[in-house]
Amino acid sequence: EAQVTQNPRYLITVTGKKLTVTCSQNMNHEYMSWYRQDPGLGLRQIYYSMNVEVTDKGDVPEGYKVSRKEKRNFPLILESPSPNQTSLYFCASSDTGVYNEQFFGPGTRLTVL
Amino acid sequence: GQQVMQIPQYQHVQEGEDFTTYCNSSTTLSNIQWYKQRPGGHPVFLIQLVKSGEVKKQKRLTFQFGEAKKNSSLHITATQTTDVGTYFCAGRKGNKLVFGAGTILRVKS
Repeated sequence: EAQVTQNPRYLITVTGKKLTVTCSQNMNHEYMSWYRQDPGLGLRQIYYSMNVEVTDKGDVPEGYKVSRKEKRNFPLILESPSPNQTSLYFCASSDTGVYNEQFFGPGTRLTVL
Repeated sequence: GQQVMQIPQYQHVQEGEDFTTYCNSSTTLSNIQWYKQRPGGHPVFLIQLVKSGEVKKQKRLTFQFGEAKKNSSLHITATQTTDVGTYFCAGRKGNKLVFGAGTILRVKS
């Protein structure tokens, strides 16, 4: 089944404790991206990747890192999480960048205490 | 920079009533996409509009792209309880996709 998977689905952590949210897609898509969703603000793009080893900042990249060592994986790294990073995070992928349908993962709800 | 504004933020309708959400951009959009997110779910692609003045239909859903390619709308005829969720528009900005804040639709049966 074609899908985007994310892990973990839920995470409660404390300020300053490094964490990684994994994202994997099995559709051989070149474009992958991370979004955060906050009430009243919609989806805001954190980082995106056009292909392996190619990443770029989205609209809200501060406090986040990403890497794209393999085509299928695009982990999101929070080196020192803070409470304002409490949010719902979605990974997405597409075979034609932003020119067509984005396939979203199920989401990761993160709480930083 | 380019922003995509979406209104209303929230709408509560009686089942059978129509519903419309509007999307406006400060700059010309090369394309506009619409997504639906069910409560507790993830965004799911509905459609993409590319041409000026384009109108597309999917059963009870009608999507329009303005002549100036700065605005778009999604209209649902005779809403059903299965239509509940948040509807997002999104416009391309270079290699990024900029989303509106979404319209939450609730349907009373």
